[in-house]
Amino acid sequence: AQSVTQPDIHITVSEGASLELRCNYSYGATPYLFWYVQSPGQGLQLLLKYFSGDTLVQGIKGFEAEFKRSQSSFNLRKPSVHWSDAAEYFCAVGSGEYGNKLVFGAGTILRVKS
Amino acid sequence: EADIYQTPRYLVIGTGKKITLECSQTMGHDKMYWYQQDPGMELHLIHYSYGVNSTEKGDLSSESTVSRIRTEHFPLTLESARPSHTSQYLCASSNSPYEQYFGPGTRLTVT
Repeated sequence: AQSVTQPDIHITVSEGASLELRCNYSYGATPYLFWYVQSPGQGLQLLLKYFSGDTLVQGIKGFEAEFKRSQSSFNLRKPSVHWSDAAEYFCAVGSGEYGNKLVFGAGTILRVKS
Repeated sequence: EADIYQTPRYLVIGTGKKITLECSQTMGHDKMYWYQQDPGMELHLIHYSYGVNSTEKGDLSSESTVSRIRTEHFPLTLESARPSHTSQYLCASSNSPYEQYFGPGTRLTVT
C-alpha cells in the first residue's frame, strides 16, 4: 500500500533563512507527488505537483521540490522564508487509477522566527 | 469566481443528533471527495464520488454517508453524532486526474 512519511513534525526557521521539508514515499510505480499548504482554519492549497519529466518542480509562492527516485523522496525547498509561510505542509502521493486518490503524510508545522 | 464551499465552518452539537455537512463546488468538477483530519494527523479519505449517482467508501471506515444527486453538491450525513466523530472534515473536488481543490473545512465537535 502507498504511504507517505514526513519525518519532521515541527520545524522552526528564521525569517530570510532557507527551508527544506522532507517527504519520503512508498509506491510501487511512478508516483504522482504533491505538496499542499494549510493555514490555520483553512483548507489545503496546492503548492506544486510532480507527474513526470523534469525532477525539479517549481510551484507557487517561491517553493520548489525535487523528485529523487533512488531515495524515494520529494523534498520541498524555499531559498528565503517569509513570516507568511508559517503554516502546516502536507506531502501526498496519488494512488488509484490516474492518481485520483491521495494518500497524505502527517504534515510538518513550520514556524517562522522574526 | 469558481470555488468550493463548505457549510457550516464550525458546528458544536450534542450526542445523538443528525447532522449534514454541506459541500458545493462551482467548477463543474466530476470528482468529489471527503476527508477526515484530526489535529496533528494526516488526512484520511472517507468517501469519494466520480460523478452523479456514484459514491464509494474511502480508505478510512466512517459511519457517515454521502449522496451525489447533483454534480455540484456532495453532502455528508451523520445519522447519530457521537463524540468520536469530533474532527475536521474537508471536502475536495477534481476534474483532472491529478489535482484536487479543497474547501475551507468544517470543524465538528460532538459533546
